[in-house]
Amino acid sequence: GAVVSQHPSWVICKSGTSVKIECRSLDFQATTMFWYRQFPKQSLMLMATSNEGSKATYEQGVEKDKFLINHASLTLSTLTVTSAHPEDSSFYICSARWSYNSPLHFGNGTRLTVT
Amino acid sequence: AQKITQTQPGMFVQEKEAVTLDCTYDTSDQSYGLFWYKQPSSGEMIFLIYQGSYDEQNATEGRYSLNFQKARKSANLVISASQLGDSAMYFCAMRDRGNTGKLIFGQGTTLQVKP
Repeated sequence: GAVVSQHPSWVICKSGTSVKIECRSLDFQATTMFWYRQFPKQSLMLMATSNEGSKATYEQGVEKDKFLINHASLTLSTLTVTSAHPEDSSFYICSARWSYNSPLHFGNGTRLTVT
Repeated sequence: AQKITQTQPGMFVQEKEAVTLDCTYDTSDQSYGLFWYKQPSSGEMIFLIYQGSYDEQNATEGRYSLNFQKARKSANLVISASQLGDSAMYFCAMRDRGNTGKLIFGQGTTLQVKP
């Protein structure tokens, strides 16, 4: 089946630093990738939609300058949390699909803790 | 606007019994797609089953089946012969009508299987 790899699985960083999370589709070309954020026991909140070779589309209320998304190739998208603060601590999970009608396949997520 | 509602925050089921997880949706579109995902405590999102709005038969995948009642706008997930490994959070999702095809998730239902 389709495999999406997300790295790192967890990261602890100090307040004010930046963290980069990678999302790779290993066995298919992902024209579109999505980045979600999830708080404990809650649903997934879409942060942005990432299309290869173009700027990401951010959901309302998501700061594009804080959450930088780059979809450099058909198999790689990155999310950079810039100047992280403790309130950015959360579970971030990416997903990818190869066509509009195909299911989303998710990475294993990244647990970010900002101290 | 499209909306997904899961009204059961938590459910218990005895091992080997069947369980139904409720999902209702709201959309004015004629063509849409509905998905169910499983999220174990480890965090990964596992795709379970898909139902298209024009599919005449209810979708089935192994022990998972989707009870699709279009007139009632419900897409309940039925898990037969529950296993301890089925304990997880379950999310119902709908594909958004926009050209990105992003998924809109319900609030989720936590299922616990008792031995």
